[in-house]
Amino acid sequence: GAGVSQSPRYKVAKRGQDVALRCDPISGHVSLFWYQQALGQGPEFLTYFQNEAQLDKSGLPSDRFFAERPEGSVSTLKIQRTQQEDSAVYLCASSLDPTYEQYFGPGTRLTVT
Amino acid sequence: GQQLNQSPQSMFIQEGEDVSMNCTSSSIFNTWLWYKQDPGEGPVLLIALYKAGELTSNGRLTAQFGITRKDSFLNISASIPSDVGIYFCAGRANFGNEKLTFGTGTRLTIIP
Repeated sequence: GAGVSQSPRYKVAKRGQDVALRCDPISGHVSLFWYQQALGQGPEFLTYFQNEAQLDKSGLPSDRFFAERPEGSVSTLKIQRTQQEDSAVYLCASSLDPTYEQYFGPGTRLTVT
Repeated sequence: GQQLNQSPQSMFIQEGEDVSMNCTSSSIFNTWLWYKQDPGEGPVLLIALYKAGELTSNGRLTAQFGITRKDSFLNISASIPSDVGIYFCAGRANFGNEKLTFGTGTRLTIIP
């Protein structure tokens, strides 16, 4: 079956603009994770959903970051009033349940100018 | 945020050589994972370890879950060109804390 897909793959935003990044998890996967990967670094946890419930959002860097998964499938990460420090690759991962392996999408590279 | 200490940061080796890299943490994890990431792609899972002391192989890759639960290592034997990439370790605490904490990465380059 298809893997995790993310769109857009690349996004350039002017500082102050709002952006929305989409993640389509593997069909049937209950758990969905968002990570942020700065250049030259490992991914860092942002937030975690089990079905439609957001169980952990401790990694979101500010209240400008918001994530949702209203029907327990597709998820959207929204960043309001983007800043240059938001430039990074945003990775989405899904797993069959929380204790199973996480499978990653290709990421969305966000550049804020 | 927290990142695990991974070493070496980079490696330059010749094809056919063996590779060893490790990862250490100041806190305990109950699952250790090793991923490989190619440019422009997401991390791909190589090996998962679930028990302290566990030694697991996947083809030419061998990984071990440290007995203290605070470290792990990955060995690659007889490296080939497609092994080039960045390798990340990741730890998971489990028991309601399912997020992955990643290492800083080891970049592997094969010298022709």
